[in-house]
Amino acid sequence: IAGITQAPTSQILAAGRRMTLRCTQDMRHNAMYWYRQDLGLGLRLIHYSNTAGTTGKGEVPDGYSVSRANTDDFPLTLASAVPSQTSVYFCASSESGGPNNEQFFGPGTRLTVL
Amino acid sequence: GQNIDQPTEMTATEGAIVQINCTYQTSGFNGLFWYQQHAGEAPTFLSYNVLDGLEEKGRFSSFLSRSKGYSYLLLKELQMKDSASYLCAVLDSNYQLIWGAGTKLIIKP
Repeated sequence: IAGITQAPTSQILAAGRRMTLRCTQDMRHNAMYWYRQDLGLGLRLIHYSNTAGTTGKGEVPDGYSVSRANTDDFPLTLASAVPSQTSVYFCASSESGGPNNEQFFGPGTRLTVL
Repeated sequence: GQNIDQPTEMTATEGAIVQINCTYQTSGFNGLFWYQQHAGEAPTFLSYNVLDGLEEKGRFSSFLSRSKGYSYLLLKELQMKDSASYLCAVLDSNYQLIWGAGTKLIIKP
């Protein structure tokens, strides 16, 4: 089934630990995105990639890193987790990073940092 | 700064019509999206407007006025399954989506 998968579904993490959230899409989309969603706030862009081999910073990139070694995978790494990174993380993809490109979202990862 | 405003919560009755408003101030404009998000699930695409006017798609319609920085989503013949949050998002000059906080729509029988 075509779409985006994320892993893990949920995770409880001790502060200071390193964590990688995984995202894979099989739609051959060029652009991929990582968002966080917090209660009362809109989705906020963390990092994005318009094509394999390139990445860019979004609105809230501090404390996060990404890589885009191939078209399908776009992992998000928290080098040293802090409680303020407790959130729901959504990965998304679109055919390109230009206009009129519907973004398709993965099911999300619920992360709690204690 | 960039800002997207939409009501936090609205309540409507099954079978009725509801209009969810969105106003925006962004650096550039390359289109406006509406997404639906059921509780605990991912957002899913509803509509895209880049030109002024009304776009109709079944029970859902979306309107855009670029000069007023305003859009609305109109839902007709409301069903219980329409209970969800509705997210307004603007594609800015860098082709990044700026998201509103969402409007939680509660449908009562």
